[in-house]
Amino acid sequence: AQKVTQAQTEISVVEKEDVTLDCVYETRDTTYYLFWYKQPPSGELVFLIRRNSFDEQNEISGRYSWNFQKSTSSFNFTITASQVVDSAVYFCALSEGRGGTSYGKLTFGQGTILTVHP
Amino acid sequence: DGGITQSPKYLFRKEGQNVTLSCEQNLNHDAMYWYRQDPGQGLRLIYYSQIVNDFQKGDIAEGYSVSREKKESFPLTVTSAQKNPTAFYLCASSSDRDPYGYTFGSGTRLTVV
Repeated sequence: AQKVTQAQTEISVVEKEDVTLDCVYETRDTTYYLFWYKQPPSGELVFLIRRNSFDEQNEISGRYSWNFQKSTSSFNFTITASQVVDSAVYFCALSEGRGGTSYGKLTFGQGTILTVHP
Repeated sequence: DGGITQSPKYLFRKEGQNVTLSCEQNLNHDAMYWYRQDPGQGLRLIYYSQIVNDFQKGDIAEGYSVSREKKESFPLTVTSAQKNPTAFYLCASSSDRDPYGYTFGSGTRLTVV
């Protein structure tokens, strides 16, 4: 069975601080996909990144960066110079690969509530 | 624009009543999913369907039922057997062709009164 663990339930920082959200996953699949989503108070899920199990390159997108380490089954997310608008719930998720690039069930972590204070 | 439409956004139900949540997509995605979100518990899978006329139970299917008669539609019925139905419900679909993998609806907030 797949499992995603986000150990940090809540994080509180002051604006301009860097913050890292941890994500550890478990799966027996050799092909899988990892995701990060942002959920603002309105409730919709905002896609941030997708990474497949064969691509361990780290990625940077503006103030966001992701560190994928297969050896430790981790996919951590860092926000540099945080802003008040970054306040939201962040979810890490794991999808089983159904062969090729097909997606299967998506398993979510518990979520991390990030609050950025001015 | 393609996307997923969930309706209604807010729903109130009396105890003992069944209620159906709508989920429609015009993305031509094969797979569809229903998730439930409770505070502090993340999103949990209720049911999913990979093709029309077929669906499987997720982790918390008890008290829920679904149908998949059309590719575009995957309605979720919350039955009176569901003891604690108050929650936020999200519908999703997926396809190899979707650049994001999965597309989510905006959710339905169900409250039992």
